[in-house]
Amino acid sequence: EIVLTQSPGTLSLSPGERATLSCRASQSVASSSLAWYHQKPGQAPRLLIYGASSRATGIPDRFSGSGSGTDFTLTITRLEPEDFAVYYCQQYGGSSTGTFGQGTKVEIK
Amino acid sequence: EMQLVESGGGLVQPGRSLRLSCAASGFTFDDYAMHWVRQVPGKGLEWVSGIAYNSRSMAYADSVKGRFTISRDNAKNSLFLQMNSLRPEDTAFYYCAKVPSRLEVPYYFDSWGQGTLVTVSS
Repeated sequence: EIVLTQSPGTLSLSPGERATLSCRASQSVASSSLAWYHQKPGQAPRLLIYGASSRATGIPDRFSGSGSGTDFTLTITRLEPEDFAVYYCQQYGGSSTGTFGQGTKVEIK
Repeated sequence: EMQLVESGGGLVQPGRSLRLSCAASGFTFDDYAMHWVRQVPGKGLEWVSGIAYNSRSMAYADSVKGRFTISRDNAKNSLFLQMNSLRPEDTAFYYCAKVPSRLEVPYYFDSWGQGTLVTVSS
């Protein structure tokens, strides 16, 4: 089973700043089958990025994903107040069990 | 508008059973596989089970295999999760989730319900 490790555990930033979140896989992720979600308190997760770099419907272009193999990055260019949340990466496809990373909390500094 | 609404959660004793339901609307339900994902309150996400668009194939996480059964009724746009032999470690929010695929294997989840809380405790 592929294990995803997200870093940092918590990111303290101010609105308008740039956020860079990392997701590292224990084995190569097939066909860049990696997704990113964010989750606000009391809400369900929401899909942001799939296929490592494709934005989901309705997701603003300040969100971007990159990476391949075992190293993936989610970048938020200018944090808006609604972006403070927990972010999860997930690998899927092939014989994957769809494992998620443990999450990165982006909090207001 | 695409909508998924779960129901059926609650407090149940260890060893007992519970059946979750998910009502879908706003999309062609029988074109897509559907899944259940759970989250222990305050913790991370865990894929639980998936079912193909035509119910011909199902997949389960090892942690629930043999105890949980996923099913669907395309005529009623509904997804179900029958949970037997429940354990305290099954306590979690259970989310119904749609994937842009017809297959039962985990994929990325492009729509989620709001979740229903299952608490397993004596």
